[in-house]
Amino acid sequence: GAVVSQHPSRVICKSGTSVKIECRSLDFQATTMFWYRQFPKQSLMLMATSNEGSKATYEQGVEKDKFLINHASLTLSTLTVTSAHPEDSSFYICSGRGGTDTQYFGPGTRLTVL
Amino acid sequence: DAKTTQPPSMDCAEGRAANLPCNHSTISGNEYVYWYRQIHSQGPQYIIHGLKNNETNEMASLIITEDRKSSTLILPHATLRDTAVYYCIVRVRNQGGKLIFGQGTELSVKP
Repeated sequence: GAVVSQHPSRVICKSGTSVKIECRSLDFQATTMFWYRQFPKQSLMLMATSNEGSKATYEQGVEKDKFLINHASLTLSTLTVTSAHPEDSSFYICSGRGGTDTQYFGPGTRLTVL
Repeated sequence: DAKTTQPPSMDCAEGRAANLPCNHSTISGNEYVYWYRQIHSQGPQYIIHGLKNNETNEMASLIITEDRKSSTLILPHATLRDTAVYYCIVRVRNQGGKLIFGQGTELSVKP
């Protein structure tokens, strides 16, 4: 299957700071990228969908000003958690979808906000 | 997108076939059945997908009933590394349909 990477894999930050997570499709062009969040012992929850060069579409209840998504190229999307607080601590997972219309997921980023 | 129903957990003996069921009784004619799995603390891994015919690849087989209201994912010879949460998801293909995850089935493969 196609490969998606995320960086960093783990990040710890202080409350009030911003954190940027990168998502890259390594061997395919992802026309659409998705960001999910997963809390312990829960399933993945879709946060937003982004198409290359367009503004992201956020799911109901997800604050677009807090979770900034940029999809500037066909291989890179970034998620910035602004003014992070302890309740934002979670496992963030991105995925990309290209020409085969199958979605491939990154390994995830564990964010801990102190 | 149609919802799916899966048993919350299953056990399987190592080396035996693991048969994971999924009900999707409200599936529409243009919705595909997708299977992903998530090993602890990793991102989901794509397994297989199908519309109405049975499908097989190097990881698994997908059996879809004739009325398409249910399906079964078969891991022919389960290993300990197959221990994971398995998600059955239905979505429209090639029309921007999103993958919405339910609770999945937690498969434990035991020695």
